Amino acid sequence: EAGVAQSPRYKIIEKRQSVAFWCNPISGHATLYWYQQILGQGPKLLIQFQNNGVVDDSQLPKDRFSAERLKGVDSTLKIQPAKLEDSAVYLCASSLAGSGVLLYEQYFGPGTRLTVT
Amino acid sequence: QKEVEQDPGPLSVPEGAIVSLNCTYSNSAFQYFMWYRQYSRKGPELLMYTYSSGNKEDGRFTAQVDKSSKYISLFIRDSQPSDSATYLCAMSGGGSNYKLTFGKGTLLTVNP
Repeated sequence: EAGVAQSPRYKIIEKRQSVAFWCNPISGHATLYWYQQILGQGPKLLIQFQNNGVVDDSQLPKDRFSAERLKGVDSTLKIQPAKLEDSAVYLCASSLAGSGVLLYEQYFGPGTRLTVT
Repeated sequence: QKEVEQDPGPLSVPEGAIVSLNCTYSNSAFQYFMWYRQYSRKGPELLMYTYSSGNKEDGRFTAQVDKSSKYISLFIRDSQPSDSATYLCAMSGGGSNYKLTFGKGTLLTVNP
């Protein structure tokens, strides 16, 4: 079974520039998550999709971050404009379901390491 | 006070040692407790999850939850160099309060 795919793996941009990350979840997984992991911290949920609908985006800085899930499969996370404090690893995860115990069996991709200079 | 506290370490042990990793939490609504392992430059992978209080064993790994003390532990027996990684605890209230709250992670090194 193929895992969660993410690209690019690394990205360096200057502040005020824009950047986009792509995620392809495990086939058949209805729920997709984007997390932000700052160095030395645990992952923080940014947004959760159930199929192509948003379940929770309460911690997404909507003035600069946006995300979409195309046709309930792939997803893109965008930052525009980037700030220095956005330097982090952006992790995508997926799970079979968005409720019940299956919610907690989240499978993570390798992440995209973003450096904002 | 943070919702989930985890000592970041680093923790260094010799091969074969018993490792104890711990988290404390403040939110009494948490019911689901998970441990993830994260190797360098990789995403976290789920090791174990438990519901409410009690113990759960899986091979060399044992997870314990003490809800009365708001304290969870992960024990690793006969630790191996391949266990060297960051261990993250995570927890959730379940139901409508499903969101995972992670600890900072503990960096473990097992020396051969």
